[in-house]
Amino acid sequence: DIHMTQSPSSLSASVGDRITITCRASQGITNYLAWVQQKPGKAPKSLIYAASSLQSGVPSRFSGSGSGTDFTLTISSLQPEDFATYYCQQYNSYPYTFGQGTNLEI
Amino acid sequence: EVQLWESGGGLVQPGGSLRLSCAGSGFTFSTIAMGWVRLAPGKGLEWVSGLIHSGGTSYYADSVKGRFTISRDTSKNTLYLQMNSLRDEDTAIYYCAKEVSSGWSYFDDWGQGTLVTVSS
Repeated sequence: DIHMTQSPSSLSASVGDRITITCRASQGITNYLAWVQQKPGKAPKSLIYAASSLQSGVPSRFSGSGSGTDFTLTISSLQPEDFATYYCQQYNSYPYTFGQGTNLEI
Repeated sequence: EVQLWESGGGLVQPGGSLRLSCAGSGFTFSTIAMGWVRLAPGKGLEWVSGLIHSGGTSYYADSVKGRFTISRDTSKNTLYLQMNSLRDEDTAIYYCAKEVSSGWSYFDDWGQGTLVTVSS
């Protein structure tokens, strides 16, 4: 199974900040990498697929990059609604696997 | 508009069984891969199981292999997760999710989740 490691596990930031979350796969996954946002009590929301493509309706302040084993999620200017937990997820092979999550808090 | 609606969660004793359902609409259910993902208290998202279109092949996380079975009824546009030999650590909110194609693709839509509590 492919193991996904995210860092940091938690991050404190302010509105307007630029933040970056990193994700590393235990083996190469080309660009089969998604980023998912989850807020307490809400369903997960898919933000990015194929490492860098934005899902429809996702604000352009979100961006993703990387390929192979190393990936990043960047939020260019944090908005109040962005405080949530973020997960990377590989879909290169089954079983799919998620990173442990990054809790982004004010 | 795609809609996914889970049901079947509840309180069950350790060793018991439960069957979750996920009703889908707004897409061609029979040609799309689907999956189950769970969120346990204090933990992160965990992919549980997936069912691809081609041949109906199913996949499972090691933590549930041999205990859970995923299936679908295309005539009812419904995905199922049969959960047997339940353990305390299976307590979680279970979400069904739709992939964008017949397999090896990302999730683009999620249900609201159904809570499973395993406790004596």
